[in-house]
Order: sequence, then structure tokens, then C-alpha cells
Amino acid sequence: DQQVKQNSPSLSVQEGRISILNCDYTNSMFDYFLWYKKYPAEGPTFLISISSIKDKNEDGRFTVFLNKSAKHLSLHIVPSQPGDSAVYFCAASQMSGGGADGLTFGKGTHLIIQP
Amino acid sequence: NAGVMQNPRHLVRRRGQEARLRCSPMKGHSHVYWYRQLPEEGLKFMVYLQKENIIDESGMPKERFSAEFPKEGPSILRIQQVVRGDSAAYFCASSPRSGGSETQYFGPGTRLLVL
Repeated sequence: DQQVKQNSPSLSVQEGRISILNCDYTNSMFDYFLWYKKYPAEGPTFLISISSIKDKNEDGRFTVFLNKSAKHLSLHIVPSQPGDSAVYFCAASQMSGGGADGLTFGKGTHLIIQP
Repeated sequence: NAGVMQNPRHLVRRRGQEARLRCSPMKGHSHVYWYRQLPEEGLKFMVYLQKENIIDESGMPKERFSAEFPKEGPSILRIQQVVRGDSAAYFCASSPRSGGSETQYFGPGTRLLVL
């Protein structure tokens, strides 16, 4: 049962344009969401996060939007740069933890920035 | 300011052997998480440990897998009698505190290949 879904395995975007990566979740207990970026043969690198009390969080070229009613979040990267080419993982957790503090990850979207 | 360290980076084992994966958290972090990534999949939570305590092992297979985080030294993920299906990338993450809203920082991973 995939609780965090990234339905696009890959996405190709032209350099300088906006990249939009999408993520859906099914567990209504999730209230904290993160995006990680991963290059081949490396570990995931934290990009940006958002808690469910917000609907938007911005950090430089990266903005995450959260639509709680639709159980959907998206990561916007603008402008896209060649170094952004990587696999992007959406992850979710419960802020209260409750002892289970592991993140639940989607399968990832491979973003390819074309020159 | 060293990040999360994992070694070895690559490990080859024959079926039936034991695999030991080590993780040193970031300085000042006392919470360690282990994840497994199978090919074409997202990361799957395995276990969450604090010093000398296993807090949540809900994602850990019941047999052959164990984890520890001793008072001194790195956290160890141990896989006994490895099988081909154990071939995967194993990532360790650390955080300074517990709680679902704490960002987890990942190491580079150990790629285990079982022949």
C-alpha cells in the first residue's frame, strides 16, 4: 500500500523554465512533508519541508505547495538549472511522532533539465 | 563539519554470509534511522534508534536483521545469512532530536550486493 505516491517516474524540462513535481498521499495522519534530491550513488539531500499548518513554503528557487483537502503537494523549481537534474523524493511523517519517526517516501521522479 | 558517514560504501557478500553496515551520525545528533532502497523503488524505513535503545523497528524484517546504536561508536545494521533479495542500497540518516518534524540528514549509503 503506497501511502506516498509520485506518479511521474520522469519529467523533462527546458533550462530556465519552471519544473513542477507532484506528490499525493493517502494517510490523513501525515502532517509534515519533505522533499529530498538525490544524485546517483549519493544519499538523499534535504531540500525543503512544509508542515500542514501552512500551504506554501519558499526557499530561493524552490517552493513547496500543500493542498490538504486534496492530499496533494508540489515542488516548484524556477528557473530550472542543469544541476537540478536528479531524482526527487517526496516524504511524509507525523509531527507528533508517536514513536514511529520514520519517513514514508514516494518512489521518486527523475527530473531531467535540457539545455 | 562532517555529515553522516557510512561504511563501507560498497559491500559484496555471498549467500549465507553476514553483512555489517556502519553509520556515524552527524556531530551532535543522537537519533539514527536506517532505510533500504530496492532498485526502482523509494526508500523504505527500517528502524529508528537512539543511543543504546531501539525506539521503532516496525520496518525491520523479523528474521536475520538486527540493529544497534551503542553508547560509544557507530550504529550497526547487521544482516545474517544474506540472500540475493537483500541486495539493495542501505541509507542511514540522523537528526538532533526526535519527532516527526525533525529533518533527517542522510549518509551516502552502502550498496550491498549478494552473489
